[in-house]
Amino acid sequence: SQQGEEDPQALSIQEGENATMNCSYKTSINNLQWYRQNSGRGLVHLILIRSNEREKHSGRLRVTLDTSKKSSSLLITASRAADTASYFCATDTGANSKLTFGKGITLSVRP
Amino acid sequence: GAGVSQSPSNKVTEKGKDVELRCDPISGHTALYWYRQRLGQGLEFLIYFQGNSAPDKSGLPSDRFSAERTGESVSTLTIQRTQQEDSAVYLCASSFIPLGGGYTFGSGTRLTVV
Repeated sequence: SQQGEEDPQALSIQEGENATMNCSYKTSINNLQWYRQNSGRGLVHLILIRSNEREKHSGRLRVTLDTSKKSSSLLITASRAADTASYFCATDTGANSKLTFGKGITLSVRP
Repeated sequence: GAGVSQSPSNKVTEKGKDVELRCDPISGHTALYWYRQRLGQGLEFLIYFQGNSAPDKSGLPSDRFSAERTGESVSTLTIQRTQQEDSAVYLCASSFIPLGGGYTFGSGTRLTVV
């Protein structure tokens, strides 16, 4: 079963615009992570936010976490065509638990 | 090696045949995971190995699926009597527990059952 649910399912923006993707989950979590996938192959880890954190930055990425609403958002600023990919949120419930992934968001950045 | 290595990268097999997929995790990573991803879908958890603990097999879809891992090294995922619905990309990932960091994924094996 899916723990994380991302929305929108698909997002198309112009290069230079910001992209905001949301993820909601159902049960209490330990960590929430965002991954990027190009061309249906291996996923690349982008950023991890712990349940006691509210916001985290990494380069052009900003992640927020609201545990009261069981939701997270991923913001990509000043998007580039190379950001075109599928983005997944994933959650775990403890240090020794597996990650459960959402269905993903397809982001298209038009040059 | 520097990353997670999976082989083969592509496999086409006839319905009813057995296939074996291999994953070489990053050296020192104690945790290893197998996921399945059907075309245009999210990742479906299959099985999780953590050190010497009993593996979490709760995601295996049927008894045709099995996986083994020797210590903290190579893992093989075996699918017996393959069916067309087994066609998917099979992704392996490893991580170092208990830092709780991100997973490192391999490039996957694209399995096509004809």
